[in-house]
Amino acid sequence: QVQLQESGPGLVKPSQTLSLTCTVSGDSSTIGGFYWTWIRQPAGKGLEWIGRIYISGSTNYNPSLKSRVTISLDASKKQFSLRLDSVTAADTAVYYCARAEYSCDYDYWGQGTLVTVSS
Amino acid sequence: QSVLTQPPSASGTPGQRVIVSCSGSSSNIGGNNVYWFQQLPGTAPKLLIYGTSKRPSGVPDRFSGSKSGTSASLAISGLRSEDEADYYCAAWDDSLSGVFFGGGTKLTVL
Repeated sequence: QVQLQESGPGLVKPSQTLSLTCTVSGDSSTIGGFYWTWIRQPAGKGLEWIGRIYISGSTNYNPSLKSRVTISLDASKKQFSLRLDSVTAADTAVYYCARAEYSCDYDYWGQGTLVTVSS
Repeated sequence: QSVLTQPPSASGTPGQRVIVSCSGSSSNIGGNNVYWFQQLPGTAPKLLIYGTSKRPSGVPDRFSGSKSGTSASLAISGLRSEDEADYYCAAWDDSLSGVFFGGGTKLTVL
């Protein structure tokens, strides 16, 4: 079994940076061979893919967020992180971390963490 | 305009067969596998179908996936009250180099 757990501030001020970390644990929690991904969901709305990182350090980002997003990976700590710059109220959402072996086969998800952007 | 388009709602009575559609283009559904997720209120999405038509262990065979050209479908047979949830399709888009989700379909069991 694999567990993912998001952590980070639940409240961020407009124009500041949102930073979240996802910690991977469990008996089968190998970091290699998977795409580690961030997905978000505004209240009452659909899922939005933010981006992903592979063990090699290779990243892919949603084109609509690419200029503001950075995803990084610390394999030794079994953690990967999300940084979203210059946030606005539109970035208020539940943020999920997830794991995929191929493109979209997200078999393990974190429970999600609500991040509110407000002054 | 969404990359993947789903109807916002669908409904059926217990025992019925319901189909949820997902429309895309040649750069996503047309050339790549499709994935389906079920999301119950207040919980993280759950992988329902991978590789267009495969079911993860533990997913009942009442759920099936298929695609034709640039459209994909999720079929739920023998509808049950516990199937009431939001359903999302997803696929990689070669042109945009990213994963895209459909807008989601809210399934109501009448």
